[in-house]
Amino acid sequence: GQQVMQIPQYQHVQEGEDFTTYCNSSTTLSNIQWYKQRPGGHPVFLIQLVKSGEVKKQKRLTFQFGEAKKNSSLHITATQTTDVGTYFCAGLNDNYGQNFVFGPGTRLSVLP
Amino acid sequence: DSGVTQTPKHLITATGQRVTLRCSPRSGDLSVYWYQQSLDQGLQFLIQYYNGEERAKGNILERFSAQQFPDLHSELNLSSLELGDSALYFCASRDSSYNSPLHFGNGTRLTVT
Repeated sequence: GQQVMQIPQYQHVQEGEDFTTYCNSSTTLSNIQWYKQRPGGHPVFLIQLVKSGEVKKQKRLTFQFGEAKKNSSLHITATQTTDVGTYFCAGLNDNYGQNFVFGPGTRLSVLP
Repeated sequence: DSGVTQTPKHLITATGQRVTLRCSPRSGDLSVYWYQQSLDQGLQFLIQYYNGEERAKGNILERFSAQQFPDLHSELNLSSLELGDSALYFCASRDSSYNSPLHFGNGTRLTVT
């Protein structure tokens, strides 16, 4: 079946440092979505990437979709304490129906 | 507020018991998904319903079952509960548009003692 991996599992950064999490799928994806889950909260949709090589920005967050549509990354510039949480990627493969397969997530801690 | 309502918020029960978790999707959303999140773990897909019909099944145990009713709310039934079933159970809904995102409820925290 389809598998989605993420690295690193944990990341501790000093406030102001950059942060990147990487997502890799075992199969080619139709699209990839990113979600953020604050401690004690529920996952919240951040963004969706559909096209090969697509790059999207949301303020300090930059999202990329690989050329082969099997990997993606999320980069945060100059982290802030409000960035704390777990970031999940979720891949959608049409061959597996409208079923999102989530990666295990990267938990980000930001030290003030 | 995502518009997805889950009840109850917390549930504490004993091993061997049976519980029902309820989810009301966002207005107009036909798809409902159930996920299990154990402590510090990722989101494990359990099952998906679309307009009352089961659409996809993930790693859902035989002791677990779900259904979606004509009013589109969904229930997840967990029986013969074991300690390892303790987890946060999320319901999510999405509309019928291709590529539309998931909207998660606040979850039900189940503790089996």
